[in-house]
Amino acid sequence: SQQGEEDPQALSIQEGENATMNCSYKTSINNLQWYRQNSGRGLVHLILIRSNEREKHSGRLRVTLDTSKKSSSLLITASRAADTASYFCATDGTGGYSTLTFGKGTMLLVSP
Amino acid sequence: NAGVTQTPKFRVLKTGQSMTLLCAQDMNHEYMYWYRQDPGMGLRLIHYSVGEGTTAKGEVPDGYNVSRLKKQNFLLGLESAAPSQTSVYFCASSLGAVGANVLTFGAGSRLTVL
Repeated sequence: SQQGEEDPQALSIQEGENATMNCSYKTSINNLQWYRQNSGRGLVHLILIRSNEREKHSGRLRVTLDTSKKSSSLLITASRAADTASYFCATDGTGGYSTLTFGKGTMLLVSP
Repeated sequence: NAGVTQTPKFRVLKTGQSMTLLCAQDMNHEYMYWYRQDPGMGLRLIHYSVGEGTTAKGEVPDGYNVSRLKKQNFLLGLESAAPSQTSVYFCASSLGAVGANVLTFGAGSRLTVL
């Protein structure tokens, strides 16, 4: 069963707009990670946030983590057409901290 | 660096046939994983390995076997393929436990079982 669940399942925006995706999870974690998957490709790691961190930035990406609500959000600012992809959150904590459990993903479409 | 390489990239099998997917990584990573990705299901862990000679079951291990005889290779076997195993398979590796490390993924292997 999925540990993380992303919301929304799909998101369609215009270039230049911000995109926000949310992830909820069920059990205690050491860290939460976000990955991107372009169509037909493997997943690429974007950012890792530890359970004792509340916010992390990487370029146009901003990730927040609220362990009391067991939720995280990924914000992509000033979206570009090249950001079109599926985005997945992943958490440890359900496999003895040896494995990551992925959510079902948010499909982001950024139109020019 | 090649990173994580999966072979083959595409394969069509008939029900009951067997095959092996090969994953090779050149990053000296300890941990390796096999996931499957189905539409609307996200990624689900099949088996994983925390070091050479070790394997462990993931969320959906039935119908699959794995071996990690060499640190750089992780093989996924289907002994008797079934249509339900039609999927895209991803191999991944990490330097150490995912509590502090990230996964590097291969490009995927698309398997169709007729």
